[in-house]
Amino acid sequence: DVKVTQSSRYLVKRTGEKVFLECVQDMDHENMFWYRQDPGLGLRLIYFSYDVKMKEKGDIPEGYSVSREKKERFSLILESASTNQTSMYLCASSVGLADGANVLTFGAGSRLTVL
Amino acid sequence: QKEVEQNSGPLSVPEGAIASLNCTYSDRGSQSFFWYRQYSGKSPELIMSIYSNGDKEDGRFTAQLNKASQYVSLLIRDSQPSDSATYLCAVNIGVDSSYKLIFGSGTRLLVRP
Repeated sequence: DVKVTQSSRYLVKRTGEKVFLECVQDMDHENMFWYRQDPGLGLRLIYFSYDVKMKEKGDIPEGYSVSREKKERFSLILESASTNQTSMYLCASSVGLADGANVLTFGAGSRLTVL
Repeated sequence: QKEVEQNSGPLSVPEGAIASLNCTYSDRGSQSFFWYRQYSGKSPELIMSIYSNGDKEDGRFTAQLNKASQYVSLLIRDSQPSDSATYLCAVNIGVDSSYKLIFGSGTRLLVRP
């Protein structure tokens, strides 16, 4: 019954490494999102995509890039990981426009530690 | 100033009581409002949405919205220990950002048996 799958639950990487976080949804949703969650800061939007090959910056895009080559898959890339990118990363998806766009289904999360 | 503010808690209530969770937001153009519940170690899940002023009830949950006061709340009646979780308020900040939700940092609720 898993609908949004994140490829890695826990990752440990070294400073400067390139990191790929993969997310796949099986609900045929148009919209996909990457958030990070930090204590006291809540969920912050990194990037979102409303269609294949389309992407929009969220509130904190610096140091991140994304790729959406297929509707069901949305990847988050950290080009050169830094310690301040240690966080829980949550992928989410939603359907279409208007009110449905904000009804998010989240994946289980990927906890990234950068040493 | 944060765009969506919540008291971090913890809010501790006895089993069977009413839990009242509050949220304020700064953007008067905000269109729609959501409550997500997040159990410890799990990802958030939507429990309520509200789009117009007033109350919206769903089982033991009631969402209340007052756009003039820029205030949204969630009431949980007959609170159960299984309601213990962090509750995240989320706000859609306007038509031009229809995809973009702003989340508060959450209120932790503890329901004592």
